[in-house]
Amino acid sequence: GEDVEQSLFLSVREGDSSVINCTYTDSSSTYLYWYKQEPGAGLQLLTYIFSNMDMKQDQRLTVLLNKKDKHLSLRIADTQTGDSAIYFCAELIRGNNNAGNMLTFGGGTRLMVKP
Amino acid sequence: EAGVAQSPRYKIIEKRQSVAFWCNPISGHATLYWYQQILGQGPKLLIQFQNNGVVDDSQLPKDRFSAERLKGVDSTLKIQPAKLEDSAVYLCASSGPGTSGLGWEQFFGPGTRLTVL
Repeated sequence: GEDVEQSLFLSVREGDSSVINCTYTDSSSTYLYWYKQEPGAGLQLLTYIFSNMDMKQDQRLTVLLNKKDKHLSLRIADTQTGDSAIYFCAELIRGNNNAGNMLTFGGGTRLMVKP
Repeated sequence: EAGVAQSPRYKIIEKRQSVAFWCNPISGHATLYWYQQILGQGPKLLIQFQNNGVVDDSQLPKDRFSAERLKGVDSTLKIQPAKLEDSAVYLCASSGPGTSGLGWEQFFGPGTRLTVL
């Protein structure tokens, strides 16, 4: 079965790097995602990585995937106060023709950025 | 391109009452999802539609929850009767080729926050 785990809380100082970690259990995951949720808002897709990749960089964001250990991380460089939010990792197992896609979320990591 | 629309944004009801939520997905998106997000947890899929057919409703408590997408566009999720543990944010998402999606990316609406007293 699917189970995605994240640490609950991370606090960093503005300008430092933040690293948010996630572990998953389903080896048939095809895509892994990082979503950001600000208070009172829906989920915003930040970045994603295909399961056959090890790393993906997108401006301040770096995603690392260790498929052997089923470990995913999100590094935010030069963290700003506007990055304070809850970050969810999620794994997708694709069905046929995008029907039956199963997206399983972790419990979220609350990132607090101190000025 | 307009995003996923949901209404109402907030709803407060007493237990045993009924409630309905509405979702309008991104135009052209064939797949629509309803998620339940309990405070402090990640979203949990309740039901997935492909056009007007149900693809997966294995996590939907069918004794009290129902959902429909009759014309394959907008959708309603109903709870009847509500329980205290139904207090949560109900998120709607859609996916499909559209103009910006790649078929597998899910775009989320702002959610409806339900409080059951």
